[in-house]
Amino acid sequence: DGGITQSPKYLFRKEGQNVTLSCEQNLNHDAMYWYRQDPGQGLRLIYYSQIVNDFQKGDIAEGYSVSREKKESFPLTVTSAQKNPTAFYLCASSHQVGPDSPLHFGNGTRLTVT
Amino acid sequence: EDKVVQSPLSLVVHEGDTVTLNCSYEVTNFRSLLWYKQEKKAPTFLFMLTSSGIEKKSGRLSSILDKKELSSILNITATQTGDSAIYLCAVISWGKLQFGAGTQVVVTP
Repeated sequence: DGGITQSPKYLFRKEGQNVTLSCEQNLNHDAMYWYRQDPGQGLRLIYYSQIVNDFQKGDIAEGYSVSREKKESFPLTVTSAQKNPTAFYLCASSHQVGPDSPLHFGNGTRLTVT
Repeated sequence: EDKVVQSPLSLVVHEGDTVTLNCSYEVTNFRSLLWYKQEKKAPTFLFMLTSSGIEKKSGRLSSILDKKELSSILNITATQTGDSAIYLCAVISWGKLQFGAGTQVVVTP
């Protein structure tokens, strides 16, 4: 079954620790994305990648980092510099970046930092 | 600044009612508007609208885009409890998706 797998589902960390969220897809999609979802707000784009070894900042990239060493994988690191990291994080992929490629989403990781 | 605004933010209806959700946008370089349904976790794709005035339908759901009014509506007829979800509108501009805050729909039996 093709899809996007995010792990873990729930993650708890202490303030000051970096944490990495995993995202893997077997859809053979070129483009991958990380979004953050907070209550009462829409999804906000953190980073996206159109191709292996390339990625761009989204609207709220500060305090986050990513890598795209393999087509299938796009891990997101939430660093201690992110001031308000507690949120629901969604990874997505699409065949390509552009108007004709709807996003396919993973089931998300809920991160709680105390 | 680009904006996507959805209304209402939330609503509660009874099974069998019809629901109309609104999405308005102000973006540069508009390409397409998309609707997603989010139940517990992953948003699932409903519709992509690119041309004005052409209704897209899928069962009890339908949607139409009005480029003159910079808006779209999503209709759900004969609602069921399984329609309870957050409905997200997103606009593609400069190759990226910008999402609205979503409308939470609760359908009571």
